Amino acid sequence: KAGVTQTPRYLIKTRGQQVTLSCSPISGHRSVSWYQQTPGQGLQFLFEYFSETQRNKGNFPGRFSGRQFSNSRSEMNVSTLELGDSALYLCASSPRDPRKVNTEAFFGQGTRLTVV
Amino acid sequence: DQQVKQNSPSLSVQEGRISILNCDYTNSMFDYFLWYKKYPAEGPTFLISISSIKDKNEDGRFTVFLNKSAKHLSLHIVPSQPGDSAVYFCAASAYSGGYQKVTFGTGTKLQVIP
Repeated sequence: KAGVTQTPRYLIKTRGQQVTLSCSPISGHRSVSWYQQTPGQGLQFLFEYFSETQRNKGNFPGRFSGRQFSNSRSEMNVSTLELGDSALYLCASSPRDPRKVNTEAFFGQGTRLTVV
Repeated sequence: DQQVKQNSPSLSVQEGRISILNCDYTNSMFDYFLWYKKYPAEGPTFLISISSIKDKNEDGRFTVFLNKSAKHLSLHIVPSQPGDSAVYFCAASAYSGGYQKVTFGTGTKLQVIP
């Protein structure tokens, strides 16, 4: 069974630009979550999607947005990039319905975004 | 407000000895706790979990202890092996707005010295 796939793996963007990151979950997983990892801050929750609807949202500005498609693939968009957006962006998929059972998430390798 | 805290950024342990990683939380609504391990250039991988109705869960060399009154959990690795060298994240889950929401700690980098 293929794991969670994130593309691209590495990205360099200029301040003010916008960027779109992609995540393909494990087949059959309907829940996709996004996290930002920066040194000293751990994994900061961005948002979670289930059945094409955003179910949870973290404390990030509106420049961060996402969506989920009918095949459960998800994209994350960051507009008007700032230097502080440089981070590892991780996507995780889960077979769970976020309204119900607790279970672990399966993470992709992440996209390393550098804003210059 | 960091609701899940891992106060030790790093830990060094000799091979064969016990590694103890600690995690404190502030939200009493957390009802499910997980530990993940992360190697460089890889995404985190699930290690072990525990429900708030239990105080201990064991899986091979890994045991997680939960002390609800102290809002503290710990991960014990016995015996520690060089391959255990990684960053360990604890995570806690609670219902928020009808959905489970997971909060991660900042991580502890474990180095197991051969």
